Amino acid sequence: GNSVTQMEGPVTLSEEAFLTINCTYTATGYPSLFWYVQYPGEGLQLLLKATKADDKGSNKGFEATYRKETTSFHLEKGSVQVSDSAVYFCALNQAGTALIFGKGTTLSVSS
Amino acid sequence: DGGITQSPKYLFRKEGQNVTLSCEQNLNHDAMYWYRQDPGQGLRLIYYSQIVNDFQKGDIAEGYSVSREKKESFPLTVTSAQKNPTAFYLCASRSSGGSSYEQYFGPGTRLTVT
Repeated sequence: GNSVTQMEGPVTLSEEAFLTINCTYTATGYPSLFWYVQYPGEGLQLLLKATKADDKGSNKGFEATYRKETTSFHLEKGSVQVSDSAVYFCALNQAGTALIFGKGTTLSVSS
Repeated sequence: DGGITQSPKYLFRKEGQNVTLSCEQNLNHDAMYWYRQDPGQGLRLIYYSQIVNDFQKGDIAEGYSVSREKKESFPLTVTSAQKNPTAFYLCASRSSGGSSYEQYFGPGTRLTVT
């Protein structure tokens, strides 16, 4: 079945460091891919998305490219801020049913 | 403002009691979802509904029930049959139009059963 695997955290970085959170998926066909962010005690917010191979999703300085050849959708940001501290979830969706999530990666950024 | 509301934010119940969590959306979305979140386990699907008066079980439906009498509302009942109900519950919705299938989430309800 479909699944999402993302790197385990926590990821601890200093402000202005480069961020990569790895995400790989298993799916038949061409799923849509998403990154969601969750701040403490809140629901999930859609961060970015990509719907087909080689698409690049971007938002608030974060980027991720849909790589079908490596079945990956790694999240990157060139310079993280303390306010980026949160839990990040990679997810996929196929055929319009529910999202399938990775287990989440906690990012902690210190000043 | 359009969005999804969940109430209450915190809920406390005694073991053996049923409890209903509210989820309302004014986004005119057809599909609605309930997820459960436990530490370190990501989100797991409880139930979903693609249209009014229809819903489907997700991966962990045992001990839960739902109804979908109105497009805007998708309440979740946690019954006494749910063996480990303490968790963070998230409701989401999705438009049936388009092809990207992104879902929009409410702020969640944290349920504690003692």
